[in-house]
Amino acid sequence: EIVLTQSPATLSLSPGERATLSCRASQSISSFLAWYQQRPGQAPRLLIYDAFNRAAGIPARFSGSGSGTDFTLTISSLEPDDFAIYYCQQRKSWPVTFGPGTTVDIK
Amino acid sequence: DVQLVESGGGLVQPGGSLRLSCVASGFIFSSYEMNWVRHSPGKGLEWISYISTSGDRIYYADLVKGRFFISRDNAKNSLYLQMNSLRDEDTAIYYCARDTMSAGVHFDFWGQGILVTVSS
Repeated sequence: EIVLTQSPATLSLSPGERATLSCRASQSISSFLAWYQQRPGQAPRLLIYDAFNRAAGIPARFSGSGSGTDFTLTISSLEPDDFAIYYCQQRKSWPVTFGPGTTVDIK
Repeated sequence: DVQLVESGGGLVQPGGSLRLSCVASGFIFSSYEMNWVRHSPGKGLEWISYISTSGDRIYYADLVKGRFFISRDNAKNSLYLQMNSLRDEDTAIYYCARDTMSAGVHFDFWGQGILVTVSS
């Protein structure tokens, strides 16, 4: 099973600041990584698929990068709705796995 | 608009069974691979099961293999999860989630989720 590790566990920032979230895979997953946002009481929302492709309707302030084992989600300028939990997920091999999440909260 | 609506959750005793349903609308259900994913506060998101468009390929997470069974009825635009031998640790919100058409097992649409509570 491919294990995903996310860092930091919590990121405390102010609106307008840049957020940089990391996801590391226990073995190479090529570019088969997605990022999701989950707000309290809501279902997860796909932000980025296959490492750097923005999903439909996702604002340009969200961007993804990386390949192999190290990946980054960047939010260029945080807006109030962006304070949430972010998960990465790999589809390189079964079972599909998720990272433990990074909480972005308001400083 | 794409919609996925789960039902069938609730409170069940350990060792009991539940059958979750997910009704899809707003897209051609038979063209999409589907999944069940759950979320619990202590464990985050966990992928549970996958089914191909025709149902000929099915995968399960080890923690539910032999206890949970996924199926679909394309004529009814419906996805199902039969959950048997339920354990306390199966308590979670269960989501049905659609695969992306272009990027495989990434999930581009999710239902609102249904709560399953396993407790005596």
